[in-house]
Amino acid sequence: SQQGEEDPQALSIQEGENATMNCSYKTSINNLQWYRQNSGRGLVHLILIRSNEREKHSGRLRVTLDTSKKSSSLLITASRAADTASYFCATAPGRGSQGNLIFGKGTKLSVKP
Amino acid sequence: DAGITQSPRHKVTETGTPVTLRCHQTENHRYMYWYRQDPGHGLRLIHYSYGVKDTDKGEVSDGYSVSRSKTEDFLLTLESATSSQTSVYFCAISERREGPGGDQYFGPGTRLLVL
Repeated sequence: SQQGEEDPQALSIQEGENATMNCSYKTSINNLQWYRQNSGRGLVHLILIRSNEREKHSGRLRVTLDTSKKSSSLLITASRAADTASYFCATAPGRGSQGNLIFGKGTKLSVKP
Repeated sequence: DAGITQSPRHKVTETGTPVTLRCHQTENHRYMYWYRQDPGHGLRLIHYSYGVKDTDKGEVSDGYSVSRSKTEDFLLTLESATSSQTSVYFCAISERREGPGGDQYFGPGTRLLVL
């Protein structure tokens, strides 16, 4: 059961530009998380935003959450070639799923030097 | 890959053979998970554990079994491997300090090819 859907599926930008990725979900959530995956590696947790939060920052990352629209966005400012990776949103449903995360299919970000 | 190892990292096996993948953690986290990652499907939960000897099914558990006899080890067994189980398998751990789901920490993955 796919909860989060990232958009776009792929994004290509130049170094220094900002990258914005979106995630939409279907049911109520307790929290929403973003993860990064470099090619051939495991996922790395980036940031968690709770359902009662609207915005959160971590370094060059800014996450927003709009529970009325059931959507979230991840903004990476001043992107670097090292940001090239796939980015996944994951939702912890408000009820059910035993509190486990449900991952989207990811956005593949390519940052060209 | 904070204190999580997976073994083997790569495996080629034949249809019908049993396969066991091991996840080992040194973080003493309560929750452990097995996911598979396939193109077009993202990450899907196979089984998870919420304590020693406490396990439950995930979204795609058919054909898989798990065991957790110690806090640090979580084993995934394919009783009789099929080609549809060719995938990359990830183990993850969590303490769920941040709430349901928790912030999860992933191992490096195991690439399994079933011929």
